Amino acid sequence: SAVISQKPSRDICQRGTSLTIQCQVDSQVTMMFWYRQQPGQSLTLIATANQGSEATYESGFVIDKFPISRPNLTFSTLTVSNMSPEDSSIYLCSVEGDRGQMDTQYFGPGTRLTVL
Amino acid sequence: AQSVTQLDSHVSVSEGTPVLLRCNYSSSYSPSLFWYVQHPNKGLQLLLKYTSAATLVKGINGFEAEFKKSETSFHLTKPSAHMSDAAEYFCVVSYSGGYQKVTFGTGTKLQVIP
Repeated sequence: SAVISQKPSRDICQRGTSLTIQCQVDSQVTMMFWYRQQPGQSLTLIATANQGSEATYESGFVIDKFPISRPNLTFSTLTVSNMSPEDSSIYLCSVEGDRGQMDTQYFGPGTRLTVL
Repeated sequence: AQSVTQLDSHVSVSEGTPVLLRCNYSSSYSPSLFWYVQHPNKGLQLLLKYTSAATLVKGINGFEAEFKKSETSFHLTKPSAHMSDAAEYFCVVSYSGGYQKVTFGTGTKLQVIP
């Protein structure tokens, strides 16, 4: 399985600012995914990011609030824009498995965001 | 459409006793089913997965799950709980049909009492 790292691991931010979260994978992957896990809740998919195309957002999430970049096959960023306390969550990126395991997702360690 | 229901938000067991975490799913297609574990302040780790091969799936750390199509269930079990099993467990259904669609359950928090 791929090794996935995220930066930062945690941050405390002020209301109205933006934070960009980085996700780095140790192998080339076609699809990367961004999830949000609000306190005490399960994971919700924000968007799917394919290299070379615009990200596909799930219902309730918009590009202006969560712009995503996918410049190459090993890297993606998620920006949380104009933050409010309601954005306090863990943000996780994931990738699909190798050929033969493309139905399986592997997750990064997450970025714990607190907005004051 | 697909969905997954974890029937218990919290389960408490004594160390050394069996663990049962319940999961029911619905899917219009032949699904893949997974259990992930999340230890406090850690990321998600894949425990095991079912992908239409053997209905009894063995995972890491002594966990296993049985796919029962007639009951649309995929319950997670372990014969003997260990203190290190205390974590949150997520049941996940996935369908790959052109693009991957993953749905997470709401999670079950497992407490292990010494």
